[in-house]
Amino acid sequence: GESVGLHLPTLSVQEGDNSIINCAYSNSASDYFIWYKQESGKGPQFIIDIRSNMDKRQGQRVTVLLNKTVKHLSLQIAATQPGDSAVYFCAERHNQGGKLIFGQGTELSVKP
Amino acid sequence: EPEVTQTPSHQVTQMGQEVILRCVPISNHLYFYWYRQILGQKVEFLVSFYNNEISEKSEIFDDQFSVERPDGSNFTLKIRSTKLEDSAMYFCASIPEAGASSYEQYFGPGTRLTVT
Repeated sequence: GESVGLHLPTLSVQEGDNSIINCAYSNSASDYFIWYKQESGKGPQFIIDIRSNMDKRQGQRVTVLLNKTVKHLSLQIAATQPGDSAVYFCAERHNQGGKLIFGQGTELSVKP
Repeated sequence: EPEVTQTPSHQVTQMGQEVILRCVPISNHLYFYWYRQILGQKVEFLVSFYNNEISEKSEIFDDQFSVERPDGSNFTLKIRSTKLEDSAMYFCASIPEAGASSYEQYFGPGTRLTVT
């Protein structure tokens, strides 16, 4: 069946360090991937997305890498700040307008 | 910046009762979704809605669930007879037209449903 999963459930980093959150997906037909950040008691907040015809996309302090060969997605956060502490979800989509399939989530904890 | 809104923020109901969760998607969006998240678990797709009809639904979305867009602005999720296992955060999401440059789904803040 289809699935999106995360390698690590928790990640603890020092403020100022770079963070890398990983995600594996199983459906090679997925054409679009998104990283969401979720703070306690709030809805998922868009961070960055990438289409399947790209392998890298950069935003402000964040970079998403897509490796379709091994069906792997990663989120890199540069100079991690305490405000980055949250649960991060990857999600994949199979078709235009279609549902998102979310991974389990990784909790990022930033120590000052 | 436009945002998806949801009401109520928290709903407590007794098992067997009907609940209606309300969402106001972003005004020019055309695709609408409901997701749920049981405490500590991942976000799960329930249903998608486009052109006034359900376009896709998950196994979770059984006969006890229904969705409606009654007036062109609200998008509602109804659970006819709630069960204890329906306790979760329910998120509404929307996206603009299919040809948009981004297919980012904009999520609302969620409604926490507690069934006792």
